[in-house]
Amino acid sequence: DAKTTQPTSMDCAEGRAANLPCNHSTISGNEYVYWYRQIHSQGPQYIIHGLKNNETNEMASLIITEDRKSSTLILPHATLRDTAVYYCIGPNSNSGYALNFGKGTSLLVTP
Amino acid sequence: DAGITQSPRHKVTETGTPVTLRCHQTENHRYMYWYRQDPGHGLRLIHYSYGVKDTDKGEVSDGYSVSRSKTEDFLLTLESATSSQTSVYFCAISEVSKGTALHFGNGTRLTVT
Repeated sequence: DAKTTQPTSMDCAEGRAANLPCNHSTISGNEYVYWYRQIHSQGPQYIIHGLKNNETNEMASLIITEDRKSSTLILPHATLRDTAVYYCIGPNSNSGYALNFGKGTSLLVTP
Repeated sequence: DAGITQSPRHKVTETGTPVTLRCHQTENHRYMYWYRQDPGHGLRLIHYSYGVKDTDKGEVSDGYSVSRSKTEDFLLTLESATSSQTSVYFCAISEVSKGTALHFGNGTRLTVT
């Protein structure tokens, strides 16, 4: 399986950029990196995914290093509602389809 | 939530009883998944389906079975519930196998007493 490593927790001041790092040195060249978040006990919410190039959507930006061993999710202007657990995910090698969720990073956005 | 309905939302049952959780989608997506979430473990894949009547095991499949007789429904059955199966169960769907998002339901909180 493509293992990922994330810090357990991070803090960010409201209005500032939140930069969440992830190491995924075992991910192979044709495997995507996905980011999800989970607020309280709701179902995980898809944020963004990427393969090689940096990606941006209305929620966040994803910066992937050239060697693809790590990536950073950027929330450009964090709000209190961005407080959540953020998961950096690689695919499940057994299924080929499903995603391997680790324990994620608990992001606390403070006023 | 992307046309995914999980039922029931909450259930309390006794050890040894059978339990079936239902996931219903209106997106006509091919792939469906069952995960469980427990404190300290994150989300773990139980079973998944890549088409009608096509299912396979995930990493924590012992004690669970699934069925998918039509595209829109994916059932998770605990043949004889145990206290270790107390958890929050999430269903997810995806359109294709790679490079696309999984969309999750709101979960079923199961308590086995």
